[in-house]
Amino acid sequence: KAGVTQTPRYLIKTRGQQVTLSCSPISGHRSVSWYQQTPGQGLQFLFEYFSETQRNKGNFPGRFSGRQFSNSRSEMNVSTLELGDSALYLCASSLVSEALNYGYTFGSGTRLTVV
Amino acid sequence: GNSVTQMEGPVTLSEEAFLTINCTYTATGYPSLFWYVQYPGEGLQLLLKATKADDKGSNKGFEATYRKETTSFHLEKGSVQVSDSAVYFCALRGNYGGSQGNLIFGKGTKLSVKP
Repeated sequence: KAGVTQTPRYLIKTRGQQVTLSCSPISGHRSVSWYQQTPGQGLQFLFEYFSETQRNKGNFPGRFSGRQFSNSRSEMNVSTLELGDSALYLCASSLVSEALNYGYTFGSGTRLTVV
Repeated sequence: GNSVTQMEGPVTLSEEAFLTINCTYTATGYPSLFWYVQYPGEGLQLLLKATKADDKGSNKGFEATYRKETTSFHLEKGSVQVSDSAVYFCALRGNYGGSQGNLIFGKGTKLSVKP
């Protein structure tokens, strides 16, 4: 079966702009989570969506937001980009019942560079 | 709060050497524990998991045992190969009375295996 698909793979934006990243989960998976990976802070949880509802949110400013559509696809948006937002953004999906035992299936990520 | 501490790298080994990557955690209740691996330019792949004390997770020659008494989940492999070169992440997912939290990751340990 197809894995978790994230688009685009690479993105370069200018400070102050906004950006939208997309994630298509594995077919049948209804839970989608987003993580930010940077060399300094490592992997940090952004938010999790299930059935179009945000279930959990990490400690990020309000400039970071997300949503999930009825087909479980998810987008995350970052407004007023800062240089520190440069990171690899990873999306992960799971069947809710599997999540506790199997963790998540991650996509390859979107590499965002803010200049 | 919950946290994961893993040994800092990089770790450089010769092919067929024994590998240990230490991981300890702090958590309330009974978290599930995971090891993920990240190859260059890719997302995270689940390597193995354990959901309760004394469980041993294993996959591709890697093993880790959930030790509640020492709050540890050390990763081991008896004979590493060049293809094992990657970054390894220890992670936990809390279990809050039936409601699962997000993944919390260690900082990662880079492993390089020389022929």
